[in-house]
Amino acid sequence: GENVEQHPSTLSVQEGDSAVIKCTYSDSASNYFPWYKQELGKGPQLIIDIRSNVGEKKDQRIAVTLNKTAKHFSLHITETQPEDSAVYFCAASKGSNYQLIWGAGTKLIIKP
Amino acid sequence: DVKVTQSSRYLVKRTGEKVFLECVQDMDHENMFWYRQDPGLGLRLIYFSYDVKMKEKGDIPEGYSVSREKKERFSLILESASTNQTSMYLCASSSRQGSGTDTQYFGPGTRLTVL
Repeated sequence: GENVEQHPSTLSVQEGDSAVIKCTYSDSASNYFPWYKQELGKGPQLIIDIRSNVGEKKDQRIAVTLNKTAKHFSLHITETQPEDSAVYFCAASKGSNYQLIWGAGTKLIIKP
Repeated sequence: DVKVTQSSRYLVKRTGEKVFLECVQDMDHENMFWYRQDPGLGLRLIYFSYDVKMKEKGDIPEGYSVSREKKERFSLILESASTNQTSMYLCASSSRQGSGTDTQYFGPGTRLTVL
Protein backbone atom coordinates (compact mmCIF):
# COMPACT_ATOMS: atom_id res chain seq x y z
CA GLY A 1 0.00 0.00 0.00
CA GLU A 2 0.93 3.66 0.03
CA ASN A 3 3.60 4.73 2.48
CA VAL A 4 5.87 7.63 3.40
CA GLU A 5 9.46 7.00 4.51
CA GLN A 6 11.11 9.65 6.69
CA HIS A 7 14.82 10.02 7.55
CA PRO A 8 16.59 10.39 9.86
CA SER A 9 14.69 9.17 12.91
CA THR A 10 16.84 11.36 15.17
CA LEU A 11 18.82 14.45 14.20
CA SER A 12 21.10 16.36 16.53
CA VAL A 13 22.48 19.74 15.38
CA GLN A 14 24.36 22.59 16.98
CA GLU A 15 22.33 25.71 17.68
CA GLY A 16 22.65 28.05 14.70
CA ASP A 17 23.33 25.27 12.19
CA SER A 18 20.86 24.01 9.59
CA ALA A 19 18.74 20.86 9.79
CA VAL A 20 17.34 18.84 6.89
CA ILE A 21 14.72 16.10 7.12
CA LYS A 22 13.85 14.03 4.06
CA CYS A 23 10.76 12.08 3.03
CA THR A 24 9.90 9.78 0.15
CA TYR A 25 6.35 8.89 -0.83
CA SER A 26 4.94 6.10 -2.98
CA ASP A 27 1.46 7.25 -4.08
CA SER A 28 1.80 9.03 -7.42
CA ALA A 29 -1.65 10.58 -6.85
CA SER A 30 -0.42 12.50 -3.78
CA ASN A 31 -0.61 16.25 -4.38
CA TYR A 32 -0.35 17.80 -0.93
CA PHE A 33 2.66 17.54 1.41
CA PRO A 34 2.44 19.08 4.89
CA TRP A 35 5.01 19.16 7.68
CA TYR A 36 3.89 19.05 11.31
CA LYS A 37 5.82 19.84 14.50
CA GLN A 38 4.96 18.09 17.74
CA GLU A 39 6.24 19.59 20.96
CA LEU A 40 6.30 17.61 24.17
CA GLY A 41 2.83 17.04 25.59
CA LYS A 42 1.06 18.57 22.61
CA GLY A 43 -0.60 17.43 19.41
CA PRO A 44 1.12 17.97 16.06
CA GLN A 45 0.80 21.43 14.52
CA LEU A 46 1.19 22.38 10.87
CA ILE A 47 4.32 24.45 10.22
CA ILE A 48 4.48 24.50 6.43
CA ASP A 49 2.95 22.72 3.47
CA ILE A 50 3.45 22.48 -0.29
CA ARG A 51 1.22 21.45 -3.15
CA SER A 52 2.34 19.55 -6.24
CA ASN A 53 2.25 22.53 -8.56
CA VAL A 54 5.06 24.22 -6.59
CA GLY A 55 8.71 23.13 -6.27
CA GLU A 56 9.72 25.16 -3.22
CA LYS A 57 8.10 27.20 -0.47
CA LYS A 58 9.71 29.30 2.23
CA ASP A 59 8.49 30.82 5.47
CA GLN A 60 11.17 32.70 7.41
CA ARG A 61 13.68 30.05 8.64
CA ILE A 62 11.69 27.11 7.29
CA ALA A 63 11.57 25.88 3.70
CA VAL A 64 10.17 22.85 1.95
CA THR A 65 11.26 21.47 -1.42
CA LEU A 66 9.39 18.96 -3.58
CA ASN A 67 10.68 16.76 -6.39
CA LYS A 68 7.61 15.05 -7.88
CA THR A 69 9.60 13.05 -10.40
CA ALA A 70 11.68 11.43 -7.68
CA LYS A 71 8.78 11.48 -5.16
CA HIS A 72 10.97 13.24 -2.60
CA PHE A 73 10.24 16.21 -0.37
CA SER A 74 12.39 17.81 2.32
CA LEU A 75 12.15 20.21 5.26
CA HIS A 76 14.97 22.69 5.75
CA ILE A 77 15.38 24.68 8.97
CA THR A 78 18.11 27.34 9.00
CA GLU A 79 19.69 29.09 11.99
CA THR A 80 18.24 26.53 14.38
CA GLN A 81 17.15 27.66 17.83
CA PRO A 82 16.41 25.75 21.07
CA GLU A 83 12.66 26.09 20.46
CA ASP A 84 13.05 24.09 17.24
CA SER A 85 13.63 20.99 19.37
CA ALA A 86 10.59 18.75 18.73
CA VAL A 87 9.40 15.78 16.70
CA TYR A 88 8.71 16.59 13.05
CA PHE A 89 6.35 14.59 10.85
CA CYS A 90 6.03 14.69 7.08
CA ALA A 91 2.85 13.52 5.36
CA ALA A 92 1.45 13.07 1.88
CA SER A 93 -2.17 13.21 0.77
CA LYS A 94 -3.88 9.93 0.00
CA GLY A 95 -5.50 10.66 -3.34
CA SER A 96 -8.13 13.36 -2.84
CA ASN A 97 -10.13 12.02 0.09
CA TYR A 98 -8.72 14.35 2.75
CA GLN A 99 -6.64 11.64 4.36
CA LEU A 100 -2.89 11.84 4.96
CA ILE A 101 -0.20 9.17 4.94
CA TRP A 102 2.31 9.96 7.69
CA GLY A 103 6.03 9.45 8.05
CA ALA A 104 7.41 7.87 11.24
CA GLY A 105 8.74 11.16 12.60
CA THR A 106 12.14 12.77 13.24
CA LYS A 107 13.24 13.83 16.70
CA LEU A 108 15.23 17.05 16.26
CA ILE A 109 17.60 17.94 19.08
CA ILE A 110 19.23 21.38 19.14
CA LYS A 111 22.46 21.37 21.14
CA PRO A 112 23.36 24.65 22.91
CA ASP B 1 -7.98 29.93 16.99
CA VAL B 2 -9.17 26.43 16.20
CA LYS B 3 -9.59 24.38 19.29
CA VAL B 4 -9.77 20.60 19.47
CA THR B 5 -10.28 19.19 22.94
CA GLN B 6 -10.04 15.63 24.14
CA SER B 7 -11.87 14.41 27.23
CA SER B 8 -8.84 13.05 29.10
CA ARG B 9 -5.08 13.57 28.97
CA TYR B 10 -4.34 10.31 30.80
CA LEU B 11 -6.48 7.22 31.20
CA VAL B 12 -5.80 3.86 32.87
CA LYS B 13 -8.16 0.97 32.17
CA ARG B 14 -8.24 -2.76 32.77
CA THR B 15 -8.27 -5.46 30.08
CA GLY B 16 -11.80 -6.12 28.88
CA GLU B 17 -13.21 -2.75 29.91
CA LYS B 18 -15.18 -0.61 27.46
CA VAL B 19 -13.39 2.69 26.88
CA PHE B 20 -14.78 5.92 25.46
CA LEU B 21 -12.53 8.69 24.15
CA GLU B 22 -14.29 11.94 23.32
CA CYS B 23 -13.18 14.69 20.98
CA VAL B 24 -14.82 18.08 20.41
CA GLN B 25 -13.89 20.76 17.84
CA ASP B 26 -15.20 24.31 17.74
CA MET B 27 -14.53 25.29 14.11
CA ASP B 28 -17.51 23.68 12.38
CA HIS B 29 -15.16 21.32 10.52
CA GLU B 30 -16.69 18.59 8.39
CA ASN B 31 -13.83 16.10 8.74
CA MET B 32 -12.71 14.46 11.97
CA PHE B 33 -10.04 11.83 12.52
CA TRP B 34 -8.84 9.44 15.20
CA TYR B 35 -5.17 8.45 15.11
CA ARG B 36 -3.00 6.24 17.19
CA GLN B 37 0.62 7.33 17.79
CA ASP B 38 3.30 4.81 18.72
CA PRO B 39 7.09 5.41 18.78
CA GLY B 40 8.71 4.72 15.41
CA LEU B 41 5.36 4.19 13.69
CA GLY B 42 4.20 7.76 13.18
CA LEU B 43 0.47 8.44 13.15
CA ARG B 44 -1.81 5.64 12.05
CA LEU B 45 -5.39 6.40 11.11
CA ILE B 46 -8.01 4.40 12.99
CA TYR B 47 -11.23 5.99 11.66
CA PHE B 48 -12.25 9.04 9.69
CA SER B 49 -15.60 10.85 9.53
CA TYR B 50 -16.51 13.33 6.79
CA ASP B 51 -20.00 14.18 8.04
CA VAL B 52 -22.45 13.46 10.84
CA LYS B 53 -23.19 9.72 11.10
CA MET B 54 -20.66 9.02 8.29
CA LYS B 55 -17.45 7.09 8.91
CA GLU B 56 -14.70 5.33 7.02
CA LYS B 57 -12.21 2.78 8.27
CA GLY B 58 -8.62 3.85 8.38
CA ASP B 59 -5.54 1.66 8.38
CA ILE B 60 -6.05 -0.01 11.79
CA PRO B 61 -9.78 -0.14 12.67
CA GLU B 62 -9.76 -3.58 14.29
CA GLY B 63 -10.85 -3.44 17.94
CA TYR B 64 -12.23 0.09 17.59
CA SER B 65 -15.52 1.72 16.67
CA VAL B 66 -16.57 5.37 16.35
CA SER B 67 -19.64 7.53 16.72
CA ARG B 68 -20.45 10.94 15.24
CA GLU B 69 -23.93 12.04 16.24
CA LYS B 70 -23.14 15.77 16.18
CA LYS B 71 -20.85 17.67 13.82
CA GLU B 72 -18.56 18.92 16.59
CA ARG B 73 -18.12 15.62 18.44
CA PHE B 74 -16.33 12.43 17.41
CA SER B 75 -16.04 9.52 19.82
CA LEU B 76 -13.66 6.56 19.73
CA ILE B 77 -14.82 3.38 21.45
CA LEU B 78 -12.71 0.42 22.50
CA GLU B 79 -15.34 -2.29 22.97
CA SER B 80 -13.06 -4.55 25.03
CA ALA B 81 -9.72 -2.96 25.82
CA SER B 82 -6.59 -5.05 25.38
CA THR B 83 -2.99 -4.39 26.44
CA ASN B 84 -1.91 -3.89 22.80
CA GLN B 85 -4.20 -0.85 22.67
CA THR B 86 -1.97 0.97 25.15
CA SER B 87 -0.98 4.04 23.17
CA MET B 88 -1.34 7.78 22.58
CA TYR B 89 -4.63 8.63 20.84
CA LEU B 90 -4.88 11.83 18.85
CA CYS B 91 -8.02 13.44 17.49
CA ALA B 92 -7.93 15.91 14.59
CA SER B 93 -10.36 17.93 12.51
CA SER B 94 -10.18 19.67 9.13
CA SER B 95 -12.36 21.67 6.80
CA ARG B 96 -13.62 20.28 3.54
CA GLN B 97 -13.55 23.58 1.70
CA GLY B 98 -12.56 23.44 -1.93
CA SER B 99 -11.29 20.27 -3.51
CA GLY B 100 -7.96 19.78 -1.81
CA THR B 101 -6.71 18.41 1.48
CA ASP B 102 -6.78 21.00 4.22
CA THR B 103 -4.86 21.54 7.45
CA GLN B 104 -5.58 19.07 10.20
CA TYR B 105 -5.86 20.54 13.70
CA PHE B 106 -4.99 18.24 16.54
CA GLY B 107 -6.05 17.88 20.12
CA PRO B 108 -3.42 17.38 22.87
CA GLY B 109 -3.85 13.60 22.88
CA THR B 110 -5.01 10.98 25.38
CA ARG B 111 -2.39 8.60 26.74
CA LEU B 112 -4.25 5.35 27.38
CA THR B 113 -2.74 2.56 29.45
CA VAL B 114 -4.49 -0.82 29.50
CA LEU B 115 -3.43 -3.07 32.38
